[in-house]
Amino acid sequence: AQKITQTQPGMFVQEKEAVTLDCTYDTSDQSYGLFWYKQPSSGEMIFLIYQGSYDEQNATEGRYSLNFQKARKSANLVISASQLGDSAMYFCASRNSGNTPLVFGKGTRLSVIA
Amino acid sequence: EAGVVQSPRYKIIEKKQPVAFWCNPISGHNTLYWYLQNLGQGPELLIRYENEEAVDDSQLPKDRFSAERLKGVDSTLKIQPAELGDSAVYLCASSLGQGRGDEQFFGPGTRLTVL
Repeated sequence: AQKITQTQPGMFVQEKEAVTLDCTYDTSDQSYGLFWYKQPSSGEMIFLIYQGSYDEQNATEGRYSLNFQKARKSANLVISASQLGDSAMYFCASRNSGNTPLVFGKGTRLSVIA
Repeated sequence: EAGVVQSPRYKIIEKKQPVAFWCNPISGHNTLYWYLQNLGQGPELLIRYENEEAVDDSQLPKDRFSAERLKGVDSTLKIQPAELGDSAVYLCASSLGQGRGDEQFFGPGTRLTVL
C-alpha cells in the first residue's frame, strides 16, 4: 500500500524567500507518480506540479520545483520567491501505475509573512 | 473551460437526516472521484467511476453511503442517515483517465456539518 508522510504540520517563510516543504513516500511499485496540490482557505485543491518515477530531471513549474530523490523516496516541494498568496495548505500525493486514485499526506500549512 | 462544479457548497443537517451532494465534472473527463476530507487531514478516496461504472468503492461505507453516475457525466453522493462523524468536506474530482500522470481536477467541495 502507498503511504505519504509530511512531517511539517506548519511552516513560516518571509515574503520573497524560498521555502522547502518535505514529503516522503512509500510504495512497492516501480512506476508511480508524485503530485503536489495547494489548498487555500476556499477549499479547492489546486494542482501545482507532477513528477514521474522514471523522469530523470526534477520537475519545475514557474516558482515551483520538485526535489526528487528516488533512493531516499523523497519528493520535496520548493517554492521560490514566496508571495503572500502562497499561504495555504500544501498536500503531497502519489499514485501507482494505471488509473488509480491519489493517496495524500496530511498536509503542511504554509504561512507567508510580510 | 468550466471546472468541476459541486453543489451545495455548504450543508448543515441534523443527525439521522439524509443528504445529497452533486458533482458535474469537466466535459470529456471519463473518470470521476469522490473524496472525503476530514479536518486537518488529506483527502481520502470514497469511490471512483470510469464512465458510469464504479470501479473502486472499497472505502465507501455502503450501509449509509451510496453514489451514482448516470450516463457517465454528473454524479450524486448520498448519505442516509447522516451521523455526527460524517461532518467533513466532500470533494469531487475528475480526470481524462490516462494513467499515472493524469491530472485530477478538483471541485470546491461541499462542507457538511451534522448537528
